[in-house]
Amino acid sequence: DSGVTQTPKHLITATGQRVTLRCSPRSGDLSVYWYQQSLDQGLQFLIHYYNGEERAKGNILERFSAQQFPDLHSELNLSSLELGDSALYFCASSVGVTGTYNEQFFGPGTRLTVL
Amino acid sequence: AQKITQTQPGMFVQEKEAVTLDCTYDTSDQSYGLFWYKQPSSGEMIFLIYQGSYDEQNATEGRYSLNFQKARKSANLVISASQLGDSAMYFCAMREGQGTGFQKLVFGTGTRLLVSP
Repeated sequence: DSGVTQTPKHLITATGQRVTLRCSPRSGDLSVYWYQQSLDQGLQFLIHYYNGEERAKGNILERFSAQQFPDLHSELNLSSLELGDSALYFCASSVGVTGTYNEQFFGPGTRLTVL
Repeated sequence: AQKITQTQPGMFVQEKEAVTLDCTYDTSDQSYGLFWYKQPSSGEMIFLIYQGSYDEQNATEGRYSLNFQKARKSANLVISASQLGDSAMYFCAMREGQGTGFQKLVFGTGTRLLVSP
């Protein structure tokens, strides 16, 4: 158990809908990262938050947004869902953002299926 | 941009034998970190081992060791005495954004390891 929690574990929804994925980082970790794992794109970085502030964006669609709250949990919002959004969405956390060794601990993932 | 290449889509090994999973990387950064993660069929990502670019010794964690050859830009994972539970997908990753105020991991495409009795 990495200490990172994600809910829900599975999510099945229809095209055009909106969903929210939730992540609680390990106690003491200030950084939260979101990754998407799909069959055709592999594992791709979406976005990084540090202590409530967005630090970096990767291949995140405009239909997707995220935020990190004062209690450090994070939510990833996916809207106008398409079939191609079906994927495993991981949240990871780390202690900080700089330094030579900031291992990222991954949550169990949320498997999103868009029908 | 950084890039990770894993050229072995699948590897087979017999129980108790050693296996090497290949990883090469491309970066212009002087300071970087390399990671290996294991993803069993259940889906979670399990951290295995880390190698910093300035580390002089190869990293080891139990049965896992990282064969780091900086000049060749390779960071191969060696699993000794394979076990049936080692059957999984293995990802090599590099940390991008060292010391810049942001970080992300860039992943390779993975190698599926199958351990047979």
